[in-house]
This record gives sequence, structure tokens and C-alpha cells, in this order.
Amino acid sequence: QVQLVQSGAEVKKPGASVKVSCKASGYPFSNYGVDWVRQAPGQGLEWMGWIDGNDGNTKYAQKFQGRITVTTDTSTNIVYIELRGLTSDDTAVYYCGREFCDTTRCFGPDYWGQGTLVTVSS
Amino acid sequence: QSVLTQPPSVSAAPGQKVTISCSGSSANVGNNFVYWYKQLPGTAPKLLIYENNKRPSGIPDRFSGSKSGMSATLGISGLQTGDEADYYCGTWDSNSLSGVFGGGTKLTVL
Repeated sequence: QVQLVQSGAEVKKPGASVKVSCKASGYPFSNYGVDWVRQAPGQGLEWMGWIDGNDGNTKYAQKFQGRITVTTDTSTNIVYIELRGLTSDDTAVYYCGREFCDTTRCFGPDYWGQGTLVTVSS
Repeated sequence: QSVLTQPPSVSAAPGQKVTISCSGSSANVGNNFVYWYKQLPGTAPKLLIYENNKRPSGIPDRFSGSKSGMSATLGISGLQTGDEADYYCGTWDSNSLSGVFGGGTKLTVL
């Protein structure tokens, strides 16, 4: 069965960086991409970015351009998100999701990881 | 402020039907597929509807989706207490070239 298993909770200080991992299994990794969606406490969902499991091509939300990097290790089917320059506004649960995108658009995540809480606090 | 607009809350009695709206623009809902998620407290979202009106395997036909113009609707019939959750719509935005979501709707089954 399709599974996305994320790394554990992180506590970071303002200005630091965080790197969260997402290990995918149960499907042909190269046939799909993986996206990252975050949810601040008591708030809605926010799409951050996506990586193609086949060729590593990425798409990023403009809001995060310059401080986000999504990478993949195709030998282990693990996807990483790194977010730099953290502020308290980045405190959220970060989810990875399996998502198919073509050259022009993405079609929504169908399976999700369990979420990783990132807390930014001095 | 979310790109897609959903009502903050809806409620209905067990056994009744409820609809949740999701409105956007020609850049998103109007020209891209809409999907819907159910989220229980402390858990990841779960896909209910994809490509406007299709249900993944295992999702009962009590859940339905439709789209007209720049608005989409999630319908839930035969309400059960287990349907109490937050519901989110989402789609692609061709202007910002990113995924976008609604602000979420809290369903209460009275």
C-alpha cells in the first residue's frame, strides 16, 4: 500500500534552517511527484512546493522562493524539504503528499504523510 | 487569507444532507480540477473527491462533488457523527503556478 513516512518533530531557533524527510513506498516512485503542504496551528492548508520523482524537476510557491529547497534521493525514495531563515510564522505541521503534476499543473495530493511538527522558538 | 473561499462552518442533523461551497476564479477553480479533503483533529487530510467529482476507492457514495464555472461544491448525504471534521477544497492556480486551498469548513453534525 502507498505509504509516506515523515521524520520526527523539530524545534528550531529563529534564523535557523530545518530539513524534514518523507520516505515513499508502495508505488512506482518515478511515476509521481511529492509535494509539501503546511498547516499552522488552527489554520488552513498551504501548498509550498513539489518535486518530480522521475527527473527532480521542482515547482515552488512564490511565497517561499529563495528560502525553500526540495530534493529527492531516488535510490531510497526519500524526499526532503529544507526551509531556511525560520521565523515564528513557520511554526506548523508540515505534510508531504504524493501528487501527480504535468508540465502545466498539479492535480492534488492523494496520499499524505503523517505530518511533522516544526516549532520555531527562541 | 485563502485564495479559495469556503464557509467557515456548516451544520446539519444526522441523516440529513449538507453542501459545502468553494469559490475561486478562472485562474484556479474555473480552469483546473478541484479536489476535496476531510481532516480530523491531529491527523493528515484524507482525499474524498478528485477531478471535481470522482471518488477514490473506499470513499462511500454519500460523498459527491460538482463544479460549475468558478465554484465547486462538496455534498455529504446521510450525515453521521463520524463526518464531523474540517473539510478543505483545493486546486491548481494557473496565475501563481502553485497549489491553492480554501480556508476550510468545520462540519458539525447536531
